[in-house]
Order: sequence, then structure tokens, then C-alpha cells
Amino acid sequence: GQQVMQIPQYQHVQEGEDFTTYCNSSTTLSNIQWYKQRPGGHPVFLIQLVKSGEVKKQKRLTFQFGEAKKNSSLHITATQTTDVGTYFCAGAGTALIFGKGTTLSVSS
Amino acid sequence: DAGVIQSPRHEVTEMGQEVTLRCKPISGHNSLFWYRQTMMRGLELLIYFNNNVPIDDSGMPEDRFSAKMPNASFSTLKIQPSEPRDSAVYFCASSLGTVMNTEAFFGQGTRLTVV
Repeated sequence: GQQVMQIPQYQHVQEGEDFTTYCNSSTTLSNIQWYKQRPGGHPVFLIQLVKSGEVKKQKRLTFQFGEAKKNSSLHITATQTTDVGTYFCAGAGTALIFGKGTTLSVSS
Repeated sequence: DAGVIQSPRHEVTEMGQEVTLRCKPISGHNSLFWYRQTMMRGLELLIYFNNNVPIDDSGMPEDRFSAKMPNASFSTLKIQPSEPRDSAVYFCASSLGTVMNTEAFFGQGTRLTVV
């Protein structure tokens, strides 16, 4: 069945450093979505990528969708303590399948 | 809109008891998902409904788990009998349309502890 792998599992950075998480699917995706879950909270939608090679930006966050529509990345520039949480990619095939997420911690 | 509403928020039950989790999706949304989240396994899709019909239930662990969606505004996930390994946070999510083109909105989750 459809699988979505995400690395790294954990990442700790100093405030101001950059952060990247990578997502790979075992199958070609119709789209990929990114979510953020704060500690004790629920996943909240960030963005959806649909087109091959698509790049979207939200302030300090940059999202990319691979040319083959099987991989994606999220890059945060100059992390802040408010970026703390777990970032999930979710691949849309026959259902919405989540990766295991990357938990980001930031020290000031 | 109040968003996706789940109840109860917390449930503690003894092994062997029946547990029923409830979800009210956002009005007008026609896709509904049940997920289970644990540290070890992450966010696992249990079942996906579209227009009240189960489309993908391949993630339902075993016969002890069942899910229903009798109408567009209500769904239940039942575990009978419950076991300690079922302890997890269970999320319900809904979306407008299908997973192909729209975001999923999550409820606050139900934290289930089976002792």
C-alpha cells in the first residue's frame, strides 16, 4: 500500500538556524499536503502542493514538490521558538496518508 | 463554524470494556477520516468515508474496531473489547470534497487510556 517516509525524525536547532524536513512517497501522488502539530495539539493544515516541481513560500517557510511527484521538502529559514512542533507531510492517493513527522525543537 | 467536534476529550477504561468515540464533522464536508496517533506508529489512517460510505478501511487494526457514519453529521469509532495496546490519541478529520484537492480539518482528538 501507499507509504510516506519522512526524515529526520527529530531535529534540534538554535534559534536563527535553518531547518529542513524531507518526505518521500512509495507511489506517485496527486498532491502533497503539509501540517503542523504543536505539542498537545492537533494537526493544522499549512499548505498543499499539486504541480510537479511546484515551490510555494509562506513567510520563512518554503515548500517544494518534486518533479516526479514522489517527494517533497519543507525548509524554514531562521527558525524561531514559535516554530516548535511536529511537521507532517501527507500524501494524497486513494486516501490521505501521513508520514511519521519531524519534531522540531528550538533553543534560544 | 465550530470545527470538527470530538467527544469525549479523554477516556479511561478498563481492559475488556467497550469504548465509543464520537465525531461531528464540519457542516458541508463530505469526507471524514479517523486516525490513531501513537509515539511509535505516528498518525495512522484507520478509515476514510466519502459521502457516508467507507472508501478505505484497510487501516482498521482488527475486528475489535468498527466505524460507522449513519449520516453526514455524525460518525462513531467503536472498540470492543478494548485492550491496553489501543491506548492512543484518536483524531477525526473532515474535508470538503475528496483528498485529491482539499485540506483536512482535525478535531481536538480523544485521548484513550485502557488500563
